[in-house]
Amino acid sequence: AQKITQTQPGMFVQEKEAVTLDCTYDTSDPSYGLFWYKQPSSGEMIFLIYQGSYDQQNATEGRYSLNFQKARKSANLVISASQLGDSAMYFCAMRDFNTGNQFYFGTGTSLTVIP
Amino acid sequence: NAGVTQTPKFQVLKTGQSMTLQCAQDMNHNSMYWYRQDPGMGLRLIYYSASEGTTDKGEVPNGYNVSRLNKREFSLRLESAAPSQTSVYFCASSGWGDNEQFFGPGTRLTVL
Repeated sequence: AQKITQTQPGMFVQEKEAVTLDCTYDTSDPSYGLFWYKQPSSGEMIFLIYQGSYDQQNATEGRYSLNFQKARKSANLVISASQLGDSAMYFCAMRDFNTGNQFYFGTGTSLTVIP
Repeated sequence: NAGVTQTPKFQVLKTGQSMTLQCAQDMNHNSMYWYRQDPGMGLRLIYYSASEGTTDKGEVPNGYNVSRLNKREFSLRLESAAPSQTSVYFCASSGWGDNEQFFGPGTRLTVL
């Protein structure tokens, strides 16, 4: 069963606008972690932001914020004030403590920032 | 502090050849992982090692073997390479308390 679902294969955003990348997850474990990674065309995986399942507040890291809706099992990434350098693939992932510390990744969203 | 290192960066094999991808981390992490990344598929877990001395199959283990040589090193072996194993391979590590999984730079493997 798909643990992480990213339904937007590709997204476009105007420079300086905000954009939301969707992510839903599936787990019955009350303890888990949610992550977002960025993969530019150079190929490396860059960690962006983390949200723990027990965290009360939505995580923020600079221009990145995670819109965590636990009841809906969604963990959307919001990028504010988009920049050309934000053009990349974005992956949502979940850490499942119940299965030996495994990580599950979505299929990714390709974001293109238009000048 | 090099983080996670992988060798080689690029490799071309012929069908049926064998090879070992090497991975090492210097962050004293317990858990290490091998993923493959194919277009449109995201990252799929091949094998992981939750701690030194243990290894477990992930989503796509067929055709691969792994060895957790010590706490630092986790290798991935292709015994008889097939064109379907053409992919980018990432090694990663994490500690139990870490809010991040650290990735190596990847190995681009082509099997002809």
